[in-house]
Amino acid sequence: EVQLVESGGGLVKPGESLRLSCAASGFTFSSYSMNWVRQAPGKGLEWVSSISSTSNYLYYADSLKDRFTISRDNRKNSLYLQMNSLSAGDTAVYYCARTFDVLTASPPDSWGQGTLVTVSS
Amino acid sequence: QSALTQPPSASGSPGQSVTISCSGTSTDVGGYNFVSWYQQHPGKAPKLIIYEVTQRPSGVPDRFSGSKSGNTASLTVSGLQAEDEADYYCSSYADFNILLFGGGTKVTVL
Repeated sequence: EVQLVESGGGLVKPGESLRLSCAASGFTFSSYSMNWVRQAPGKGLEWVSSISSTSNYLYYADSLKDRFTISRDNRKNSLYLQMNSLSAGDTAVYYCARTFDVLTASPPDSWGQGTLVTVSS
Repeated sequence: QSALTQPPSASGSPGQSVTISCSGTSTDVGGYNFVSWYQQHPGKAPKLIIYEVTQRPSGVPDRFSGSKSGNTASLTVSGLQAEDEADYYCSSYADFNILLFGGGTKVTVL
């Protein structure tokens, strides 16, 4: 069974940084592209970033590419999201999600339970 | 990177059908068959119910079906049941390695 478990969320102040992690199990992590998708309270889903299986290709939503960095460690079956210069608009549940199709940024199939990031002074 | 367009709400009585549209452009929905639909209940993670426009993952009831015509994809839920009340999101791959989501449709079972 595919399992994706996010961690690292919490309450931070505007301007601070945070690093999210996603622990994967139940599948061959190194064979799949991965994504981060976020959902602000009461709002819809918003794509954040995607990374190919070997980290050769990194893709970001235009509005976030200057502040967010996606990475992975296939030896540890883990996905990461480094978020800098956080603002209230970044407050959301952040989901880790697996891509199953050939294109890195194609829609995911499996999702984690999400981790809540709250940016507030 | 504009979001795909979905109606904000849809409703139907138990046993009826409801269809949700997802409008895009030739650079996303119309240009690729990488269109998926997700069901999300309150406080839960999204669940894949349709992928590659028409395909159902194992375990998803055949009451859920997907289609596409031009730049618009659609999700039909037939034989509505109480547990189908949820938010539904479409998603599509787009040119230049972008993943788009629709704004979501809240389905109410009357």
